[in-house]
Amino acid sequence: EVQLVQSGAEVKKPGESLKISCKGSGYSFTSYWIGWVRQMPGKGLEWMGIIYPGDSDTRYSPSFQGQVTISADKSISTAYLQWSSLKASDTAMYYCARVEVAGFDYWGQGTLVTVSS
Amino acid sequence: DIQMTQSPSTLSASVGDRVTITCRASQSISSWLAWYQQKPGKAPKLLIYKASSLESGVPSRFSGSGSGTEFTLTISSLQPDDFATYYCQQYNSYSPDTFGGGTKVEIK
Repeated sequence: EVQLVQSGAEVKKPGESLKISCKGSGYSFTSYWIGWVRQMPGKGLEWMGIIYPGDSDTRYSPSFQGQVTISADKSISTAYLQWSSLKASDTAMYYCARVEVAGFDYWGQGTLVTVSS
Repeated sequence: DIQMTQSPSTLSASVGDRVTITCRASQSISSWLAWYQQKPGKAPKLLIYKASSLESGVPSRFSGSGSGTEFTLTISSLQPDDFATYYCQQYNSYSPDTFGGGTKVEIK
């Protein structure tokens, strides 16, 4: 069974760093792109970027380029999303999802990130 | 970037109604379009990929059509479990993916 399991909710202060994770199982982790999607409170879905764990090829949306870093460790089938300096506006639910053909076919359960002083 | 415009943003309908949601792309995306359903507090679920292909396990009352810049998601007979928010997503290898703004299907 394909599963993407994300790390737990985080509460951080502005300026702090953070790395959240997404662990894949039940399929060949290095053979599929993994994407990250942001959903701010009460808002729609925003495509942040994708990574191919096989060779770490990464693509970012211009809206998120330079704001976050997407990485992966294929030895432990885990993708990451990280910030070096969080802002209050980063408060959101973050989802990872597997890319298949023309869609995200499996999704993680989401990681809620709250940034507040 | 390619912009995706969904309409309507909210739709009120009754059980048994036929429902249609439209998604327009700012430039041609061929058939590289997916539709998702999201319920409150849950991750989105893939319904349709490549504009008209039904994801495995998705009820046949859901269908997708279109190509180029105009696409539709149709629910042939709305069921209680279908009240949710629906998003389109374009996939184009020459630009980042983008989602439409969403359509909330509410009980009339």
